[in-house]
Amino acid sequence: EVQLVESGGGLVKPGGSLRLSCAASGFTFSSYSMNWVRQAPGKGLEWVSSISSSSRYIYYADSMKGRFTISRDNAKNSLYLQMNSLRAEDTAVYYCAREVGSGSYIDYWGQGTLVTVSS
Amino acid sequence: ETVMTQSPATLSVSPGERATLSCRASQSVTSKLAWYQQKRGQAPRLLIYDVSTRATGIPARFSGSGSGTEFTLTISSLQSEDFAVYYCQQYNNWPPKTFGQGTKVEIK
Repeated sequence: EVQLVESGGGLVKPGGSLRLSCAASGFTFSSYSMNWVRQAPGKGLEWVSSISSSSRYIYYADSMKGRFTISRDNAKNSLYLQMNSLRAEDTAVYYCAREVGSGSYIDYWGQGTLVTVSS
Repeated sequence: ETVMTQSPATLSVSPGERATLSCRASQSVTSKLAWYQQKRGQAPRLLIYDVSTRATGIPARFSGSGSGTEFTLTISSLQSEDFAVYYCQQYNNWPPKTFGQGTKVEIK
């Protein structure tokens, strides 16, 4: 069974940093591209970032470029999102999500971790 | 950026009735269009990919159609468990992989 479990969310002040983690199990993690997708309270889904299976290809939404860094450790079956210079508008549930193939749709989602940016 | 626009924002339907949800892309996304269902407090779930292919375990009452810029998700006979928010997403022109703003299907 595919499982994606996010952790690392919490309350952080504007300008602060946070590192999210996603522990993957039930599939060959190193064979899949992975994504982060976020959802602000009461709002829709917003794609954040993607990383290819080997970390060779990395993409970000424009509003996250230069502030967020996606990475992975295939030996640990883990995906990460380092978030710096956080703003109130970054407040959201952040989902870890597995992608089918490369540049394709998402087939599995984690349950999400809530990040709240507030003073 | 390819903007995805869903309509209506809210759809009120009685159980057993048919629901038709629309998704329009600002430019062609060919056949690279997926639909997701999200229930309150839960993560999204993949329903349909490549416009019309049902994901594993998705009932046949869910169907997708369309091409290019106009797409439709049809739920042939709404069950109580189908009341949720539905999102379309394109994965043809990326980054970014854009989602629609969602259609909430509620009980009439």
